Amino acid sequence: EAGVAQSPRYKIIEKRQSVAFWCNPISGHATLYWYQQILGQGPKLLIQFQNNGVVDDSQLPKDRFSAERLKGVDSTLKIQPAKLEDSAVYLCASSLVWGATIDEQYFGPGTRLTVT
Amino acid sequence: GIQVEQSPPDLILQEGANSTLRCNFSDSVNNLQWFHQNPWGQLINLFYIPSGTKQNGRLSATTVATERYSLLYISSSQTTDSGVYFCAVPHSGAGSYQLTFGKGTKLSVIP
Repeated sequence: EAGVAQSPRYKIIEKRQSVAFWCNPISGHATLYWYQQILGQGPKLLIQFQNNGVVDDSQLPKDRFSAERLKGVDSTLKIQPAKLEDSAVYLCASSLVWGATIDEQYFGPGTRLTVT
Repeated sequence: GIQVEQSPPDLILQEGANSTLRCNFSDSVNNLQWFHQNPWGQLINLFYIPSGTKQNGRLSATTVATERYSLLYISSSQTTDSGVYFCAVPHSGAGSYQLTFGKGTKLSVIP
């Protein structure tokens, strides 16, 4: 079974530029998550989708970050404009179900973003 | 929100040694995951363990939910075990079940 796919793996941009990340979850997984991991810390949730609807985006900096999950499968996360403090690894995760059963989450390889 | 504390923060082992990593959490949970983040940044699922004990090769984990802690045992450590070990618990907030991670234990296994 293929795992969670992400691209690109690395990205270097200058501050105030824009960037987009792509995620393809495990086939059949209804729930998709984007996490941000700053160096030396554990990942923190940015946004959670259930199929193509947003469940939780309370920690997403909406003035610069946006995300969508069209057709309930692939997802993109965008940052515009980027700030220096956005330098981090962006992790996508997926799980089979959500709600009554809190299911195991599986993570992709991540995208390492450096903002200069 | 729920607090997750891991100890020790750093651990250096000689190859072949055994170790125990601890995860304490501040509220009752109905599942817990252990991950290994390798030097390339990939989070690898080790255990999904809401309670009891599970074993997978040289690794085993025990969660005592009533006492709000979990332990990860690594036996006969190898250099490939190096990396950061995270525990994570689901936190119900704003209608979602996000995982709240500890700060991790950085393990270095030296030959």
